[in-house]
Amino acid sequence: GESVGLHLPTLSVQEGDNSIINCAYSNSASDYFIWYKQESGKGPQFIIDIRSNMDKRQGQRVTVLLNKTVKHLSLQIAATQPGDSAVYFCAENIGTGGFKTIFGAGTRLFVKA
Amino acid sequence: DAGVTQSPTHLIKTRGQQVTLRCSPKSGHDTVSWYQQALGQGPQFIFQYYEEEERQRGNFPDRFSGHQYPNYSSELNVNALLLGDSALYLCASSQGQNSYNSPLHFGNGTRLTVT
Repeated sequence: GESVGLHLPTLSVQEGDNSIINCAYSNSASDYFIWYKQESGKGPQFIIDIRSNMDKRQGQRVTVLLNKTVKHLSLQIAATQPGDSAVYFCAENIGTGGFKTIFGAGTRLFVKA
Repeated sequence: DAGVTQSPTHLIKTRGQQVTLRCSPKSGHDTVSWYQQALGQGPQFIFQYYEEEERQRGNFPDRFSGHQYPNYSSELNVNALLLGDSALYLCASSQGQNSYNSPLHFGNGTRLTVT
């Protein structure tokens, strides 16, 4: 099927701690995965992506891990800051040429000062 | 360098009416996708336009239609509005025929309320 789901709807962390947001996907043929961040009143914003030929990719304070065996994706945010408070979506692109991006329901991250 | 722009930002319509939402893609982008995001949920894919043609469609009824112009801007039209069409409508752009391996760039959406 075409679904991308999340394990937890909300996550609360202390400022300065690391955050881990998890995601499961069901389409074995997917080969491109993306994490988006959506702040209140705004559209989703690209954070980091990963292709299926990789199992880890690092950005600035963020790391995405891909486990194709169990079809699991995670986003790690190092030294979480108040500005990281938002809803985070994992997503996968399905199709080539014409494609669609399938989003999960999202995880709301709260950062406590 | 302008990002994706959408208009209007907010809209209130009555059940049964028709609505047109507009989107200008990010400079240099030629592919436009539309998404519907209900409150508390992830965006749901409506359709994608490239070279003025719809090349991919999600599970939305024919009441949802679109158009892309030669300058790559796009419109989303919804006919016979239902209360359940109330949502945030997001436009996203990408570049190139093979942009399936690239992230989308989103506008801030049009909030549609159907009463």
